[in-house]
Amino acid sequence: NAGVTQTPKFQVLKTGQSMTLQCAQDMNHEYMSWYRQDPGMGLRLIHYSVGAGITDQGEVPNGYNVSRSTTEDFPLRLLSAAPSQTSVYFCASKTGGIADTQYFGPGTRLTVL
Amino acid sequence: GESVGLHLPTLSVQEGDNSIINCAYSNSASDYFIWYKQESGKGPQFIIDIRSNMDKRQGQRVTVLLNKTVKHLSLQIAATQPGDSAVYFCAEKRSNTGNQFYFGTGTSLTVIP
Repeated sequence: NAGVTQTPKFQVLKTGQSMTLQCAQDMNHEYMSWYRQDPGMGLRLIHYSVGAGITDQGEVPNGYNVSRSTTEDFPLRLLSAAPSQTSVYFCASKTGGIADTQYFGPGTRLTVL
Repeated sequence: GESVGLHLPTLSVQEGDNSIINCAYSNSASDYFIWYKQESGKGPQFIIDIRSNMDKRQGQRVTVLLNKTVKHLSLQIAATQPGDSAVYFCAEKRSNTGNQFYFGTGTSLTVIP
């Protein structure tokens, strides 16, 4: 298993540009989520999905969209990038059980100029 | 321990010594906890977990202690090695928020050879 994969690894955008961060997992996990990690702060949940066709907002959803058309893929879209979205983004997945470990991807480092 | 500022708490230990990293949580609805290790430029990696109905769990060279009375979690690493140098943070799941996890800011562990 490749686990959780993310692309790209690095990205630089100009303010106002849009882009999609890709996330895929091959573990048949129901639950997938996107986090952002900023210096001095813990990981913060952006959006999550409990299964194909179902998504919900996390703690910091503004400026981001998600969709879940398949179990494997959970892309994160930035509609109009802002400097405040400069961060490291992590995708994670787990089974739907109550006490199941989340497995994280390697991250995407995004800089918005 | 947990940080509310811009700087991570740091811990430096000699190779071979034991390390203790602490985490405080505030929500009495937290029922599941995970410790993660994050090396520079990588995604968080699962170390060990514990449910709220337990007060101790052991893994290979690691032990997690949970004190629900004072809402405190600790990670003990035995015979710390240079490869243990990383940022360690705890995550808690709250029973009243579905599958969402809340993450601490982390502690930076440096192992001195």
